[in-house]
Amino acid sequence: ETGVTQTPRHLVMGMTNKKSLKCEQHLGHNAMYWYKQSAKKPLELMFVYNFKEQTENNSVPSRFSPECPNSSHLFLHLHTLQPEDSALYLCASSQDRGGNTEAFFGQGTRLTVV
Amino acid sequence: AQSVTQPDIHITVSEGASLELRCNYSYGATPYLFWYVQSPGQGLQLLLKYFSGDTLVQGIKGFEAEFKRSQSSFNLRKPSVHWSDAAEYFCAVGNTGGFKTIFGAGTRLFVKA
Repeated sequence: ETGVTQTPRHLVMGMTNKKSLKCEQHLGHNAMYWYKQSAKKPLELMFVYNFKEQTENNSVPSRFSPECPNSSHLFLHLHTLQPEDSALYLCASSQDRGGNTEAFFGQGTRLTVV
Repeated sequence: AQSVTQPDIHITVSEGASLELRCNYSYGATPYLFWYVQSPGQGLQLLLKYFSGDTLVQGIKGFEAEFKRSQSSFNLRKPSVHWSDAAEYFCAVGNTGGFKTIFGAGTRLFVKA
């Protein structure tokens, strides 16, 4: 039990579909993150939320739309994705945004775009 | 901006043998350094971290890492590898100006019987 839960674990979607990834943390943390993990590439930080406010958007295409309704929940809304968007999407949380803060990761959502 | 290099994409060691995974970083100030492990189908789990003080840090599962400022390195070690250690290992560096932790590309560890 990592304290960070992601659903669904696996998702296959067509390029015209709209779907959402969900992340929930039970650790009382104030910061939450979305990462993209592709084969043979470093983890890519996509979005950072601190106290529900987005503080970082690393030039992510608009077909990815995050939502953070409260400090415990984070969503990633997906629409008109491309095959190259297929990857493992990891959610993480931390007590705060400090660079010395340990991140706790969920198990990820394996996304396949067909 | 900080960066992290893990020179080895994959390493194979025999069970019971010692292990060293390399990590080199680039950062202008004293960095915050981390090692995470990712088992198949799982998220990342923190093994250990270095912020300051003793340059040899102990982590979970029998791992340790040594910070060497002169070499800009933070190599991960374990004296005797177990088959359950087979996983992917990520070195990461955090900065002092907010959450911009950068991860290396990872080293996949294979353990042979």
